[in-house]
Amino acid sequence: NAGVTQTPKFQVLKTGQSMTLQCAQDMNHEYMSWYRQDPGMGLRLIHYSVGAGITDQGEVPNGYNVSRSTTEDFPLRLLSAAPSQTSVYFCASTWGGGRNSPLHFGNGTRLTVT
Amino acid sequence: GENVEQHPSTLSVQEGDSAVIKCTYSDSASNYFPWYKQELGKRPQLIIDIRSNVGEKKDQRIAVTLNKTAKHFSLHITETQPEDSAVYFCAASIQGAQKLVFGQGTRLTINP
Repeated sequence: NAGVTQTPKFQVLKTGQSMTLQCAQDMNHEYMSWYRQDPGMGLRLIHYSVGAGITDQGEVPNGYNVSRSTTEDFPLRLLSAAPSQTSVYFCASTWGGGRNSPLHFGNGTRLTVT
Repeated sequence: GENVEQHPSTLSVQEGDSAVIKCTYSDSASNYFPWYKQELGKRPQLIIDIRSNVGEKKDQRIAVTLNKTAKHFSLHITETQPEDSAVYFCAASIQGAQKLVFGQGTRLTINP
């Protein structure tokens, strides 16, 4: 099993550009989520999904869109990048609900918006 | 909403000594409390977790204690080793929602 795979590992965007961060898992996990990690602020939840076709907002959803068309994939879209979105992004999945089972994290995407 | 406070933000201990990191949470209905370790440049990985029906859990040199009355839980690392140097995050579940709230993290440094 590859676990949770994120691409790309690094990305530089100009303000206003759009892009999609990819996340795929091969563990048949129903729950998937996106976090951003900023210095001194821990991991903050952007969006999450409890199954294909179902998504919901986390703590910091503004500026990001998600969709869940398959169990395996959960892409995160930045429609118009802003410098405030410079961060490290982690995708995570788990077999149970997102509030009572261990999260498996991907290796992260380091995004810089200039 | 749920708030998780983690202290200290940085911690430096001598190799072989113990380290303790404490988290407090606000939602009395929280019932799942995991701890994650993140080495430099790597992804967070679960090291131990505890549920609200248990007061303490141990795994070799790592233990977690939970005080539901005071709404705090702590990570204890004994006989620290250089490979324990990392950032540690606590988290707490949110009642009625499928998500966790994370603390701000503690950077632990083990001095040889």
